Amino acid sequence: EPEVTQTPSHQVTQMGQEVILRCVPISNHLYFYWYRQILGQKVEFLVSFYNNEISEKSEIFDDQFSVERPDGSNFTLKIRSTKLEDSAMYFCASDRGVGEQYFGPGTRLTVT
Amino acid sequence: QKEVEQDPGPLSVPEGAIVSLNCTYSNSAFQYFMWYRQYSRKGPELLMYTYSSGNKEDGRFTAQVDKSSKYISLFIRDSQPSDSATYLCAMSANYGQNFVFGPGTRLSVLP
Repeated sequence: EPEVTQTPSHQVTQMGQEVILRCVPISNHLYFYWYRQILGQKVEFLVSFYNNEISEKSEIFDDQFSVERPDGSNFTLKIRSTKLEDSAMYFCASDRGVGEQYFGPGTRLTVT
Repeated sequence: QKEVEQDPGPLSVPEGAIVSLNCTYSNSAFQYFMWYRQYSRKGPELLMYTYSSGNKEDGRFTAQVDKSSKYISLFIRDSQPSDSATYLCAMSANYGQNFVFGPGTRLSVLP
């Protein structure tokens, strides 16, 4: 069964460093998303991406964040200058266009 | 009022019990409703997907949506210890739009 994959599973970085989180969505899906979940809190939307551009973004997704689909299969989230409060699980999700979003296993980002 | 509210739990039931999990919401534009199961430090796993009002059944799981009351439910029949997880409701107004998640209900099914 096709599934969303994410790498790395755990990323430790120092405050102020740039990180890139990678996702491979399900191959025939059209919509792609990033969510985050701070430990013990609810899943929060960051950004959605369709047709090679951002379709929607939340207040969390400020200028420090960017997304890219560099090669037609990968979908990346870049955080330019990490802060302590960026520590969270980051989930990628994809949707073939009927409303069902399938989530990846997540990347745990720890900013020290 | 929060956009999506969910019974906080935690909820402990004996094996074999029927479990009822619920969410209420405030945005009448929501029409896509999901239930996800999340094990500790794992990604949400899609359980049920419902569009608009009505019921949907899949094995031991039944999802109900009552848009007039802005209330959705997930029923789990013959609950198993492996059902022990956090259950998240999520909803959106249109496909391709972000989901708004509830805070989750932690369920423990005791052998």
